[in-house]
Amino acid sequence: QKEVEQNSGPLSVPEGAIASLNCTYSDRGSQSFFWYRQYSGKSPELIMSIYSNGDKEDGRFTAQLNKASQYVSLLIRDSQPSDSATYLCAVSGAGKSTFGDGTTLTVKP
Amino acid sequence: EAQVTQNPRYLITVTGKKLTVTCSQNMNHEYMSWYRQDPGLGLRQIYYSMNVEVTDKGDVPEGYKVSRKEKRNFPLILESPSPNQTSLYFCASSFGQGEYEQYFGPGTRLTVT
Repeated sequence: QKEVEQNSGPLSVPEGAIASLNCTYSDRGSQSFFWYRQYSGKSPELIMSIYSNGDKEDGRFTAQLNKASQYVSLLIRDSQPSDSATYLCAVSGAGKSTFGDGTTLTVKP
Repeated sequence: EAQVTQNPRYLITVTGKKLTVTCSQNMNHEYMSWYRQDPGLGLRQIYYSMNVEVTDKGDVPEGYKVSRKEKRNFPLILESPSPNQTSLYFCASSFGQGEYEQYFGPGTRLTVT
């Protein structure tokens, strides 16, 4: 079992829809959770970080964390074609950072 | 401008020829890290450093060396590259380990023939 698993893609949604990205992790000692966006040929950039159970909202993005279920999700509301990218879930603890394989999202106009 | 720089951006080399990929950050970050990204395998951590002279192995350290003699620089050394080290490499830095966002460099595409 991988340490960080993301829902397999690719994921395709129409413009204006909600995109839902999911991630599970195996290390219960993990403390910090991140969602990065990576455009093709570019480096990852931070979208959201979340550290405690519950929801965290930033504009069109909402991150959800459930430590009991070892589950992190990212919701993108009113999806735009510019949101088309690969989304990476990252989990950190004790110095190490572990990334999921990523989910590729395509938003169709 | 706050940034992480890597050099070279592209490199084609032959098996066994030692090479160094440089990484530098101008944000006074304590934590620096190297990753490789391969299709289907995602980003995997090679080495990380929590401060000057403090380095530790990530998930895939075999065949790589690092050093952290200055806070701003964290070079990645491949002493005897092999074709299975062909990959896209990213350097990243952050204020500290764990709860801080990582800032990534532009990447180095390495091909070993």
